[in-house]
Amino acid sequence: IVLTQSPDTLSLSPGERATLSCRTSHSISGSYLAWYQQKPGQPPRLLIYGESKRATGVPDRFGATGSGTDFTLTISRLEPEDSAVYSCQQYGTSVFAFGPGTKVEIK
Amino acid sequence: EVQLVESGGGLVQPGGSLRLSCVASGFTFSSYWMSWVRQAPGKGLEWVADIKQEGSEKHYVESVKGRFTISRDNAENSLYLQMNSLRAEDTAVYFCARVNSLRYNWNDGQVVYFDYWGQGTLVTVSS
Repeated sequence: IVLTQSPDTLSLSPGERATLSCRTSHSISGSYLAWYQQKPGQPPRLLIYGESKRATGVPDRFGATGSGTDFTLTISRLEPEDSAVYSCQQYGTSVFAFGPGTKVEIK
Repeated sequence: EVQLVESGGGLVQPGGSLRLSCVASGFTFSSYWMSWVRQAPGKGLEWVADIKQEGSEKHYVESVKGRFTISRDNAENSLYLQMNSLRAEDTAVYFCARVNSLRYNWNDGQVVYFDYWGQGTLVTVSS
């Protein structure tokens, strides 16, 4: 499995909408993605998994859609604390793969 | 509160060995698959290995097969990663992570993900 993410970096202002893309090398039937947020010097934090299920404590401005090979993480109204790297992850046949990440910068 | 605390990282010469440990608390350790994930400096996340609840099934990323061994001690709530024949490219922060999954009956789909992570331990392979 190979995951690619775009863009590499996204620079937006507070209150704007962020749309992050994750594309998988091939479609794994019924396999959903998970999304993680990582800030400098911290471990990744689970954000969303499966059919846009938010992890505990994740605000509802975070959402995810997609199927097949194309998936999207959306942050509806950016807050300063959303500045981080966002990575997608998929599981398939006993292996896990992560995307390289999209860095979100808040202007 | 779920906690995962790694230890055992450090500086090691190429070809050397190191054993990482992860102590878990706040959940029934023996009920979960566990995993190691690493992150090289300035790079993305890379899954390294995982292990089934009772330790009977293990999987590895291709680049560490034959060199790394994942194990666990459920009585001690501990996860381990024995790393041998270390290379410069193994330099990374190594995270211990709990594996969880969710299955969707309507389409027989599933998501397998890492819901809790430790703070990580840095392994540096250099002469």
